Amino acid sequence: KAGVTQTPRYLIKTRGQQVTLSCSPISGHRSVSWYQQTPGQGLQFLFEYFSETQRNKGNFPGRFSGRQFSNSRSEMNVSTLELGDSALYLCASSGGELAGFYEQYFGPGTRLTVT
Amino acid sequence: SQQGEEDPQALSIQEGENATMNCSYKTSINNLQWYRQNSGRGLVHLILIRSNEREKHSGRLRVTLDTSKKSSSLLITASRAADTASYFCAFTGANSKLTFGKGITLSVRP
Repeated sequence: KAGVTQTPRYLIKTRGQQVTLSCSPISGHRSVSWYQQTPGQGLQFLFEYFSETQRNKGNFPGRFSGRQFSNSRSEMNVSTLELGDSALYLCASSGGELAGFYEQYFGPGTRLTVT
Repeated sequence: SQQGEEDPQALSIQEGENATMNCSYKTSINNLQWYRQNSGRGLVHLILIRSNEREKHSGRLRVTLDTSKKSSSLLITASRAADTASYFCAFTGANSKLTFGKGITLSVRP
């Protein structure tokens, strides 16, 4: 099976702009989660989608949003970018139905730099 | 904070030695997982242990879980240079969110 793919891999944006990141989960996986990784805060949970519904949400401002399509592919959007949004954004998919009960398979991440 | 805490923050050992990493948490958990990350890339799942399990093995990995002490340990036996990476514990509590620790940097010297 193909692994989790994320596009783009690298992105440079300017403060105030918005960005959309894409994630394709492992075939058959219906759960997709997003994480932000920074040196200072570590790995922070953004949100999880399951069968097109947001099932869980982390403590991030409303500028961070996401969605999942019927084929389980997911996108996350960050509006009005701030310097502090510079991070590695990781997407992970899981094959189980119960939230948080199964291992997650991570994509390579999208490195976002905000200038 | 609900975040897990790993100990030590960094570990440097010689190839062939064993590496032991510890993780503590503060809430009740459903399961605890360990992941490895190589140099800013995606995480790789290593092992999952459920709250009703005490020990689990996978190849050179051994994980223990003590729910009374709210702690877990990951043992890598006969380490190799390729084991050099960051290791994270992650746990799922009642909120069903996967919460990660800050990570442990392991360096294995050839």
